[in-house]
Amino acid sequence: AQSVTQPDIHITVSEGASLELRCNYSYGATPYLFWYVQSPGQGLQLLLKYFSGDTLVQGIKGFEAEFKRSQSSFNLRKPSVHWSDAAEYFCAPEGTNAGKSTFGDGTTLTVKP
Amino acid sequence: EPEVTQTPSHQVTQMGQEVILRCVPISNHLYFYWYRQILGQKVEFLVSFYNNEISEKSEIFDDQFSVERPDGSNFTLKIRSTKLEDSAMYFCASSERSGAGNTEAFFGQGTRLTVV
Repeated sequence: AQSVTQPDIHITVSEGASLELRCNYSYGATPYLFWYVQSPGQGLQLLLKYFSGDTLVQGIKGFEAEFKRSQSSFNLRKPSVHWSDAAEYFCAPEGTNAGKSTFGDGTTLTVKP
Repeated sequence: EPEVTQTPSHQVTQMGQEVILRCVPISNHLYFYWYRQILGQKVEFLVSFYNNEISEKSEIFDDQFSVERPDGSNFTLKIRSTKLEDSAMYFCASSERSGAGNTEAFFGQGTRLTVV
């Protein structure tokens, strides 16, 4: 069965520190991979996506993610976190035949001043 | 930039009442989706829709739910007899293609449904 795991429910980092949010998936074939961000009470904003090719993808707001096939992972990173990055982050693989996304449980990011 | 729009942003309804959530997908998109997010939980897939029929649905999407594309622009989710546990944020999404690569679903801002 297809599944996605975000092992960290809640992460707290200091402003200016680096960030890595983990995502692991289990799919029959390599899915398309997405990261979304959701601020409290708001909708979903796409941060970045991976379909094929270069395994390091750049997104908006200074985020990047690296696809590692051997680890079935697609971790999200940012070198220097800003207070405005505090939000919920969702990893969402999309099955290539289904066209729908399966969302992870999400990771809540808190940024300390 | 084109966007998916959802109305209303917040709807309060009494238990047992019917509710219709409305979405206007991006105009050249062909695939449409509904997701829901119960407060504090993850986003869950409900249904996908293509060529005027449901292409996939989850176990959540039972007989009380239905979707429709009544005209060339709107995509609606109807809940026939709302229950308290239907209270959630409902997201509409659309995409140009499904499973064909190099495309993604664009999400609306959501409709918060509160059943009282």
